Amino acid sequence: GESVGLHLPTLSVQEGDNSIINCAYSNSASDYFIWYKQESGKGPQFIIDIRSNMDKRQGQRVTVLLNKTVKHLSLQIAATQPGDSAVYFCAENPRAAGNKLTFGGGTRVLVKP
Amino acid sequence: DARVTQTPRHKVTEMGQEVTMRCQPILGHNTVFWYRQTMMQGLELLAYFRNRAPLDDSGMPKDRFSAEMPDATLATLKIQPSEPRDSAVYFCASVNSGGSQPQHFGDGTRLSIL
Repeated sequence: GESVGLHLPTLSVQEGDNSIINCAYSNSASDYFIWYKQESGKGPQFIIDIRSNMDKRQGQRVTVLLNKTVKHLSLQIAATQPGDSAVYFCAENPRAAGNKLTFGGGTRVLVKP
Repeated sequence: DARVTQTPRHKVTEMGQEVTMRCQPILGHNTVFWYRQTMMQGLELLAYFRNRAPLDDSGMPKDRFSAEMPDATLATLKIQPSEPRDSAVYFCASVNSGGSQPQHFGDGTRLSIL
């Protein structure tokens, strides 16, 4: 994913609805992907990860889907809560890059009560 | 919960002054990253270390920035002399290099250079 600079895409969602955040990654050699959540004044917080040998992984209220054919990653949040309001980043780890990550530009999620 | 600890959390200083930011990685993590986050550029990798040795500092302005790991429990990022354009949030992250693992981030140092 490319950084989008000043203007983060924003997803407004009603409390209780499901959220879907999308990410297009750039490197077909990436074999490990991570979603992070960043709240105001804090560092990115690990949410869930997925390896390229899987196409779906579920956590508590979150599901990550990976489509390697079109280099697309999504994060689904079930029953979105006010505490889910944050900026969400996807990150990819190319196979030859050791532990280096390439971050997407982020999506801001605003939860409306 | 094990956490990456960064100090100071906030720093305001005048241009030309030296700034030192510190990071304590999670115990047992052997790889440490320094990032800078701004509205314009997002998250940029500045430098990273494995087993205290610098592996890549290509993202760091060499003339004024320096990064070191005096020991396995401390990473430092210094700016000398600081400039207003260095104003940003600086994050440290750590990971154990064995296998695919997520980096764990500290809560950053918010730096303002006047």
